[in-house]
Amino acid sequence: GAGVSQSPSNKVTEKGKDVELRCDPISGHTALYWYRQSLGQGLEFLIYFQGNSAPDKSGLPSDRFSAERTGGSVSTLTIQRTQQEDSAVYLCASSFQRGGQETQYFGPGTRLLVL
Amino acid sequence: TQLLEQSPQFLSIQEGENLTVYCNSSSVFSSLQWYRQEPGEGPVLLVTVVTGGEVKKLKRLTFQFGDARKDSSLHITAAQPGDTGLYLCAGDGDKIIFGKGTRLHILP
Repeated sequence: GAGVSQSPSNKVTEKGKDVELRCDPISGHTALYWYRQSLGQGLEFLIYFQGNSAPDKSGLPSDRFSAERTGGSVSTLTIQRTQQEDSAVYLCASSFQRGGQETQYFGPGTRLLVL
Repeated sequence: TQLLEQSPQFLSIQEGENLTVYCNSSSVFSSLQWYRQEPGEGPVLLVTVVTGGEVKKLKRLTFQFGDARKDSSLHITAAQPGDTGLYLCAGDGDKIIFGKGTRLHILP
């Protein structure tokens, strides 16, 4: 399909292990966002990529979290030394601008459970 | 820091009733979007409002953007069980920010 895809859809890991979450944005979208959503909560902004600009990392909760976007397309969110409080749904969204407005399209998310 | 506050946080009503949920901020946004998120899925865009005072209708859903472009409301007429979900508003300012959402449950 032409939507945003994320993998894996579910990930169970042990405390202390590293995990990588992948996001494939919609082709042509210049911006990409990562969010975290805990059970029953709203979206917590993590990091934002826009074109070739330096990413906005202001939402990353600790230095265990990092993300990169290769070739302006696919993005990987890495969590090192996972903790139980990292358990959440990690959502990726890509967006485009038209007429000064930005519209985001979300992937289905990766459900991370840290045991 | 730009913030969006949504109210109520939770709402449970009977099928057929009307309801309004709110999204408020002290900041001005160039546009504001409403999303609905169902369990196990990502948020899905419902509407974007751009002009102060703008009203948009999507079947039984009516969205309004405040005159000052700082707040918005979503009114649902004759709610149905299929309307159940988490309703999120997002403002396009320095960057897109989200409110914490209103969790709506429609009882059959």
